[in-house]
Amino acid sequence: DIVMTQSPDSLAVSLGERATINCKSSQSILYSSNNNNYLAWYQQKPRQPPKLLIYWASTRESGVPDRFSGSGSGTDFTLTISSVQAEDVAVYYCQQYYGTSFTFGQGTKLEIK
Amino acid sequence: EVQVVESGGDLVQPGGSLRLSCAASGFTFSSTWMTWVRQAPGKGLEWVANIKQDGSEKYYLDSVKGRFTVSRDNAKNSLHLQMNSLRAEDTAVYYCSTFRGNGWLDSWGQGTLVTVSS
Repeated sequence: DIVMTQSPDSLAVSLGERATINCKSSQSILYSSNNNNYLAWYQQKPRQPPKLLIYWASTRESGVPDRFSGSGSGTDFTLTISSVQAEDVAVYYCQQYYGTSFTFGQGTKLEIK
Repeated sequence: EVQVVESGGDLVQPGGSLRLSCAASGFTFSSTWMTWVRQAPGKGLEWVANIKQDGSEKYYLDSVKGRFTVSRDNAKNSLHLQMNSLRAEDTAVYYCSTFRGNGWLDSWGQGTLVTVSS
């Protein structure tokens, strides 16, 4: 199974500052035939279900603010929030969908400093 | 509007059984892969099972294989998860979600809580 490891486990960022969350897969999730990375990012606020932010590692879901961006390829990926807002306080998860079974990272908790 | 609503969660004893349901609306259910994901209290997300549009392909988390069965009724726009031989470690909120493209999960329900305890 593909193991997804996020770092850090938590981070505190000042309002308006940049937040960077990393996600590393135990094997490449880049599918060579279509050159797509099989990775998604989710945001989960307290007492709510997860919300899809990004898929194909860098494609923003409709309605997601453009301060959220995804990058990376192969085994190393990053979610960046360019200017953190109060409403971004949440836990963020990466997920690989490379095979027939999916796995999530352990989550990164974002707080305001 | 796409909507999925889970139901059926309850308190059950270890070794017991439970059947979860997910009612779908606002999209073409019969054309959509579906997924179950769970979240233990205070913990992260864990994928449980996927089912293809016509039910011909099903995939499971290793720890639930042989105990859980995912099924769907396209005539009733409903998804189910039959859970047998339940263990304490199955205690979690269970979410159903639509599965788009090759596997991103874009519409989640509010979840239903399953508690396995004596």
